[in-house]
Amino acid sequence: DTGVSQNPRHKITKRGQNVTFRCDPISEHNRLYWYRQTLGQGPEFLTYFQNEAQLEKSRLLSDRFSAERPKGSFSTLEIQRTEQGDSAMYLCASTRRTPRSYNEQFFGPGTRLTVL
Amino acid sequence: DQQVKQNSPSLSVQEGRISILNCDYTNSMFDYFLWYKKYPAEGPTFLISISSIKDKNEDGRFTVFLNKSAKHLSLHIVPSQPGDSAVYFCAARYGGSQGNLIFGKGTKLSVKP
Repeated sequence: DTGVSQNPRHKITKRGQNVTFRCDPISEHNRLYWYRQTLGQGPEFLTYFQNEAQLEKSRLLSDRFSAERPKGSFSTLEIQRTEQGDSAMYLCASTRRTPRSYNEQFFGPGTRLTVL
Repeated sequence: DQQVKQNSPSLSVQEGRISILNCDYTNSMFDYFLWYKKYPAEGPTFLISISSIKDKNEDGRFTVFLNKSAKHLSLHIVPSQPGDSAVYFCAARYGGSQGNLIFGKGTKLSVKP
């Protein structure tokens, strides 16, 4: 399977704990996005990488959130001191940048976080 | 303030008939629009897109129409099949942005056999 993969698929944690999610994009894709989806809402943009550079962050990404893509391949999203409001589906998407054309984003299955 | 709005939370259609899903947007700076389909416990799957310089794009049973003056787009599925039952998200991209998308809240389509 050469699609976008995310691990773990589910995470249950207690309030105040730290959690880390991983995303492996499609191998030739140089752009990687993180989104968050809560119940009854569409995905909301969190942050974006082009290769290893984090180029944009949403105001939704508080200072408890940090994302990395150290070698321009997989990415991690860490949430420190989790709060119940962090409970959501965290989605990763990737795409390939080509000049003068727009390429759709391919999404992974998501990591569902539940904070107790 | 929702910039991409899907005002119908759900839609039920008989198999073989047309499904029409609607989306309205407020920002005239959007230059690309996309429709994604989402099954439970899966990530969104890309369906079809349209550039703001076009008014129609067709791919098999799926056609997207864009009315820029009304800031409205619609997805037509003809004929509808039970496997089309899913949540459909409309998404838009700011012109010249790095590609992050603004999504609507989704419309749950149920196609009854």
